[in-house]
Amino acid sequence: GAVVSQHPSRVICKSGTSVKIECRSLDFQATTMFWYRQFPKKSLMLMATSNEGSKATYEQGVEKDKFLINHASLTLSTLTVTSAHPEDSSFYICSAPNAGTGPNLKNIQYFGAGTRLSVL
Amino acid sequence: SQQGEEDPQALSIQEGENATMNCSYKTSINNLQWYRQNSGRGLVHLILIRSNEREKHSGRLRVTLDTSKKSSSLLITASRAADTASYFCATLRGTSYGKLTFGQGTILTVHP
Repeated sequence: GAVVSQHPSRVICKSGTSVKIECRSLDFQATTMFWYRQFPKKSLMLMATSNEGSKATYEQGVEKDKFLINHASLTLSTLTVTSAHPEDSSFYICSAPNAGTGPNLKNIQYFGAGTRLSVL
Repeated sequence: SQQGEEDPQALSIQEGENATMNCSYKTSINNLQWYRQNSGRGLVHLILIRSNEREKHSGRLRVTLDTSKKSSSLLITASRAADTASYFCATLRGTSYGKLTFGQGTILTVHP
């Protein structure tokens, strides 16, 4: 099946620094990827849609200057948390849709393993 | 408001028992999906049920969908300790493919 690789799995940083998280589709091309944030024992909240070749679209309430998204190629999207603060500490997960045909198959998402960000 | 509310929030059972989780949603859908998340990991797709289907099976999983009640259930039969995880239902947001709204999830603990 399709594999999405997310790196790093865990990062600890000081307040004020920037952190980059990578999301790669390993055996398929993904013109669109999604970035989610998840708080402990909570559901996933969609942050933004990463679009290859164009700007990312952000969900309401998500600061685009805080969470920079770059879809550099058909297999790579990056999320940069700029000037991180303790309140940015969270679990960040990326996903890419199934590349198969058919309206239902395209809705199936393949997820990265997530990145645990801790800002001190 | 969050589309996709699940109950129970937490479920604790013994190995061999069945586990049933429910999900409700608010808007019309084309399909509904269930995902599994092991602690501290990403999500894994389990099963997709179309709006014109009422029931679907995959191994020990059985999913039902009632569009009139806007609800779905996931049944795991003969549970195993390895089934311990969080389970989420997900529905499509609008017409943007792949853009999913997740339920709050059910934390399932299966005791050996």
